[in-house]
Amino acid sequence: AQSVTQLDSHVSVSEGTPVLLRCNYSSSYSPSLFWYVQHPNKGLQLLLKYTSAATLVKGINGFEAEFKKSETSFHLTKPSAHMSDAAEYFCVVSFSGGYQKVTFGTGTKLQVIP
Amino acid sequence: EAQVTQNPRYLITVTGKKLTVTCSQNMNHEYMSWYRQDPGLGLRQIYYSMNVEVTDKGDVPEGYKVSRKEKRNFPLILESPSPNQTSLYFCASRRPLAGDNGELFFGEGSRLTVL
Repeated sequence: AQSVTQLDSHVSVSEGTPVLLRCNYSSSYSPSLFWYVQHPNKGLQLLLKYTSAATLVKGINGFEAEFKKSETSFHLTKPSAHMSDAAEYFCVVSFSGGYQKVTFGTGTKLQVIP
Repeated sequence: EAQVTQNPRYLITVTGKKLTVTCSQNMNHEYMSWYRQDPGLGLRQIYYSMNVEVTDKGDVPEGYKVSRKEKRNFPLILESPSPNQTSLYFCASRRPLAGDNGELFFGEGSRLTVL
C-alpha cells in the first residue's frame, strides 16, 4: 500500500522569505513523486517530479524538492516567496511500473504575507 | 493546445436526477481518471481507465459510473445523485509511456452541488 502525508495543512510566510512544505510518503515499491499546485478556482498544475533520476529536482517558478529515501521525504522548498505563490500544494505518489494508483496528499495551503 | 476539457464547470441539481459530466482530452493519452476534491481530504480517485473499454474502480467509486468508448472521452455518470456527492470534480489524463509515471494533465474542474 502507498500513502502520502503532508505535515502542514496551512503554512504562512512573509514575502521574500523561504518556503518549506513538507511531505512524507510510504510505498512498497520505488516511488515516483510529484508536487502539484492549485491556484484558486483553477485545475492542478505540475510543479516538479521525481522518477528515480537526480534526487534534487528543480521545478517551475523557482521551486525545488529533494528526494530522501532514508527519511521517506520529498519536501518542497523555494528560497524566496512571492505573492503569486499563494496557492494550495499537493504532494502525490505513484509507484514505478504501474500507473493506475496515484495517491494525493491532503494539501497544504500557502499564504504569503506582504 | 493540449488540454483536458470538462463540462459543465458548474452545476446545481437535485437528489436523484441523473447527470453526466463530460471529459475530453486531445493529447492521445491512454490513461484517464476522475477525482473528487473535498476540503481536508485532498483528491480522491473515483475511477480510472487504462485504455478504451478498460476501466476500474478507484478509492471512492460508490454512486458513480464511467465509460470509455473512445480514447479521448471519459464521462462520469451519477445515476442518482445524493447530497454527499456535492464536491469539486477533476478529470485527468496521462502519457502512455510504459514504466514511466508521467505527469497528470488536469481539467479545470466541475463544481457540483446536489440539493
